[in-house]
Amino acid sequence: DIQMTQSPSSLSAYVGDRVTITCRASQSFSNWLAWYQQKPGKAPKLLIYEASTLESGVPSRFSGSGSGAEFTLTISSLQPDDFATYYCQQYDNFPYTFGQGTKLEIK
Amino acid sequence: EVQLVQSGAEVKKPGESLKISCEASGYSFTNYWIGWVRQMPGTGLEWVGIIYPRDSDTRYNPSIQGQVTISADKSINTAYLQWSSLKASDTAIYYCTRLYGSCHYWGQGTQVTVSS
Repeated sequence: DIQMTQSPSSLSAYVGDRVTITCRASQSFSNWLAWYQQKPGKAPKLLIYEASTLESGVPSRFSGSGSGAEFTLTISSLQPDDFATYYCQQYDNFPYTFGQGTKLEIK
Repeated sequence: EVQLVQSGAEVKKPGESLKISCEASGYSFTNYWIGWVRQMPGTGLEWVGIIYPRDSDTRYNPSIQGQVTISADKSINTAYLQWSSLKASDTAIYYCTRLYGSCHYWGQGTQVTVSS
């Protein structure tokens, strides 16, 4: 299995801050990498796929980058609605493993 | 509009059997893989397995294989996840999701609680 490690595991930030979450894989793969946002009691929501493609309807303050074994999710200016848990997921090889999650909290 | 509607919450005892469902609408059910993802209490997301309804090709997470069975009935656009003998460690929220590589659509989740 490809292991996905996110950093940091938790993060406190202010509204308006720029935030970056990193996802490192145990081996390199093509850009089959997605980012999801999950709020308590809700299903995950797709934000980014193929490492850098913004899902329809997702605000442009979200962006993804990276390749090989290191990927990042950036939120350019945090909004109150962005405080949630974020997961990366590779879908290059089944089982399509998720990172352990990054909980983003209001400072 | 694509929708995945899951069956309701279940409370079961250890050793009991269970089958939960995910009914799809708004797209051609046989053209996309459907997956099941579990979220144990207070933890992250973990793949259970995936199924291609057209031919029922099924793949399981090796860490879970043998504990569950995934199936699909293409006549009613519904995928299933079932257990023959539940354990307390099966307590989790189970999500179904439609795959096109990444998971663009998700069901609302089914809470499964196994407790004596």
